[in-house]
Amino acid sequence: NAGVTQTPKFRVLKTGQSMTLLCAQDMNHEYMYWYRQDPGMGLRLIHYSVGEGTTAKGEVPDGYNVSRLKKQNFLLGLESAAPSQTSVYFCASSARGTGSYEQYFGPGTRLTVT
Amino acid sequence: DQQVKQNSPSLSVQEGRISILNCDYTNSMFDYFLWYKKYPAEGPTFLISISSIKDKNEDGRFTVFLNKSAKHLSLHIVPSQPGDSAVYFCAAGFSGTYKYIFGTGTRLKVLA
Repeated sequence: NAGVTQTPKFRVLKTGQSMTLLCAQDMNHEYMYWYRQDPGMGLRLIHYSVGEGTTAKGEVPDGYNVSRLKKQNFLLGLESAAPSQTSVYFCASSARGTGSYEQYFGPGTRLTVT
Repeated sequence: DQQVKQNSPSLSVQEGRISILNCDYTNSMFDYFLWYKKYPAEGPTFLISISSIKDKNEDGRFTVFLNKSAKHLSLHIVPSQPGDSAVYFCAAGFSGTYKYIFGTGTRLKVLA
């Protein structure tokens, strides 16, 4: 099993450009999450999904959109990138109803917006 | 306002000694807490968790203690090993929602 994978690993964007980050998990997890990690800020939740076709806002959703068309994929979109979105983005997934609340994280995408 | 705080950005410990990482939270309704470890250029990996109905949970060299009245949890690593050198994040939340608030992390360096 690959676990949680993220594409791409690195990306440099110019202000105003758009891009989509792809997250895929092969553990049949119901829940999926997108976080950003900034120095001194820890991990902050951007958006999350509790199942295929459903999404919800986290702590810092502005400037991002998400879609969960398939259970195994969770896409994070930046429509018009801004320098403030320079960050490391992590995707995570977790199972429902197992009694274990652990989230499994991908390796991250380092995004720089110039 | 940070609901989950890790007030020590870094910690250095000699190999073989105990490492104690601390975490404070403000919301007394949080009922589930987790610790994650993160190596550079990798995603966080789950280490250990504790429910609010317990005050201690052990897994090998790792023990998490929860003091609900003080809204404080700590992670003890005994004995510390050089491979434990990483950033440690605590997280707190509500078990039914599967969402957690993460602290800012503590960088642990275990000296050989």
